[in-house]
Amino acid sequence: AQKVTQAQTEISVVEKEDVTLDCVYETRDTTYYLFWYKQPPSGELVFLIRRNSFDEQNEISGRYSWNFQKSTSSFNFTITASQVVDSAVYFCALSEARTGGFKTIFGAGTRLFVKA
Amino acid sequence: DVKVTQSSRYLVKRTGEKVFLECVQDMDHENMFWYRQDPGLGLRLIYFSYDVKMKEKGDIPEGYSVSREKKERFSLILESASTNQTSMYLCASSSPPRQFRYNEQFFGPGTRLTVL
Repeated sequence: AQKVTQAQTEISVVEKEDVTLDCVYETRDTTYYLFWYKQPPSGELVFLIRRNSFDEQNEISGRYSWNFQKSTSSFNFTITASQVVDSAVYFCALSEARTGGFKTIFGAGTRLFVKA
Repeated sequence: DVKVTQSSRYLVKRTGEKVFLECVQDMDHENMFWYRQDPGLGLRLIYFSYDVKMKEKGDIPEGYSVSREKKERFSLILESASTNQTSMYLCASSSPPRQFRYNEQFFGPGTRLTVL
């Protein structure tokens, strides 16, 4: 069963718009980590952020921000003032304590197009 | 910088051929992973290895095997390639998980395999 759901398959925005990528996860563990990765057209996934289940503080890094809400099992990613270079596929992922942190489950990804 | 390299970016093989995909990492990571990426399915784990000569099945190991004779190298083998194994194959590595830290994975650029 899919444990990480990224309901948005593709999003298209115009440069400078804000955009939020949704991620909903499912787990029975109390200890887990959530990740976001970016896959640009070159193909190599790049790590963006990690958040553990005990830390619900939101995080901001430049134009990127993440909203973690355990109550709704969501870990959403917002890009403020989007740029063409943000065009990529973005993956949300979950790593659970029951697998010792070895196995990471990825969502299907959201493809973001940012038009100039 | 962590570097994960894969032997080929593009590969075309015929049904029934034996196929080797090689992955090398230069950061002395204990863990290495093979995923396949298909549209709408995200990344699915084929096999992973947490030490030399150690391997564990992932979610879709059928039709694949792996070899890890050296710490830096992890090979994916398709014993008899079939058309349904046409996909993007991604290799990744990471440090082992600790009690309060599950580490991010570092990915190679991927090998796009076409089986005719």
